[in-house]
Amino acid sequence: EAQVTQNPRYLITVTGKKLTVTCSQNMNHEYMSWYRQDPGLGLRQIYYSMNVEVTDKGDVPEGYKVSRKEKRNFPLILESPSPNQTSLYFCASGQEGLGDTEAFFGQGTRLTVV
Amino acid sequence: GQQLNQSPQSMFIQEGEDVSMNCTSSSIFNTWLWYKQDPGEGPVLLIALYKAGELTSNGRLTAQFGITRKDSFLNISASIPSDVGIYFCAGQLYPGGTSYGKLTFGQGTILTVHP
Repeated sequence: EAQVTQNPRYLITVTGKKLTVTCSQNMNHEYMSWYRQDPGLGLRQIYYSMNVEVTDKGDVPEGYKVSRKEKRNFPLILESPSPNQTSLYFCASGQEGLGDTEAFFGQGTRLTVV
Repeated sequence: GQQLNQSPQSMFIQEGEDVSMNCTSSSIFNTWLWYKQDPGEGPVLLIALYKAGELTSNGRLTAQFGITRKDSFLNISASIPSDVGIYFCAGQLYPGGTSYGKLTFGQGTILTVHP
């Protein structure tokens, strides 16, 4: 089954404790990205990657890091989480071609930083 | 960065009614996308629009890419209870010669359908 898998689904952590949210896709997609969703703000892009070892900043990259060492994985790293990073996070993947743009989202990771 | 204004923010309708929502931007986009998000799930792509003026249907859904490339609308005809959810528009620019770029989302329209 084609899917984007995020882990964990829920996470509560303390300020300053480094964490990683994993994202994996099994569709051999070139394009992957991370978003955060906050009430009234919709989804805002954090980082995106067009292929292995190619990453670019989205609209809200501050406080986040990503890496793309393999095509299937695109982890999101918070080196020193702060309470304003409490949010719902989504990973997405897509493949070049009509109708496939950003077609698949993961189920989300709800992060709370206390 | 680009700003997308999506309206209305929420809608409460009766089953069977038609629904219309739209997005406007201060900048042009190469692609307009419409997504639906069910509670506890990630967004699911409904319709993708790639050319200015394009009108595309997907079942009871119809979306159009505005001629100015700064707006798009989504219509849902004969709404049913399972249409409940949050609908997002999104615009995408293609930087340089690559096929993908930053995706900017609207704030979302919360749709409630009363049986």
